[in-house]
Amino acid sequence: EPEVTQTPSHQVTQMGQEVILRCVPISNHLYFYWYRQILGQKVEFLVSFYNNEISEKSEIFDDQFSVERPDGSNFTLKIRSTKLEDSAMYFCASSEEQSTEAFFGQGTRLTVV
Amino acid sequence: RKEVEQDPGPFNVPEGATVAFNCTYSNSASQSFFWYRQDCRKEPKLLMSVYSSGNEDGRFTAQLNRASQYISLLIRDSKLSDSATYLCVVRTGNQFYFGTGTSLTVIP
Repeated sequence: EPEVTQTPSHQVTQMGQEVILRCVPISNHLYFYWYRQILGQKVEFLVSFYNNEISEKSEIFDDQFSVERPDGSNFTLKIRSTKLEDSAMYFCASSEEQSTEAFFGQGTRLTVV
Repeated sequence: RKEVEQDPGPFNVPEGATVAFNCTYSNSASQSFFWYRQDCRKEPKLLMSVYSSGNEDGRFTAQLNRASQYISLLIRDSKLSDSATYLCVVRTGNQFYFGTGTSLTVIP
């Protein structure tokens, strides 16, 4: 069964450092997303991406964040100058069409120390 | 106002019980509706999409009432393996909006 894969599963970084979280969406999917979930809180939308550009972003997704689809398979989230409050589980998701369900990767747990 | 609201629970029910979860959403323009389940420290996994006509998948039944902007999930004959957090998810535009989730524990 096709699945969304994310690497690494856990990333520890020092405050102020840059991190890149990587995702391989399901191959025939056209819509890609990043979400985050702070421990004990709800899943929060960060950004959606379609046709090689951001289609929507939340107020969380400020200038510190960027996304890229560097090739035909990878979808990355870059966080510049990480802060302690960026510690969370980051989920990548993809969907085939705009109205269909999204499938989530297993997440990257980011810990900023 | 929150986009999606759910009763956080927790719901603690005995094995074999029937349990119902409810959810409301605020944007009448929302297009698609889903229930996901999330186990502790894992990713959300699709349980089922929700349609206006109602749909059933084994022990699970989902209903959507667009007029009331209300979504429900019914679980019959609860199993221990049903213990998880159930997330009501609504698609509006290019975003999936998540409720805070309802925690279910099925007790032997």
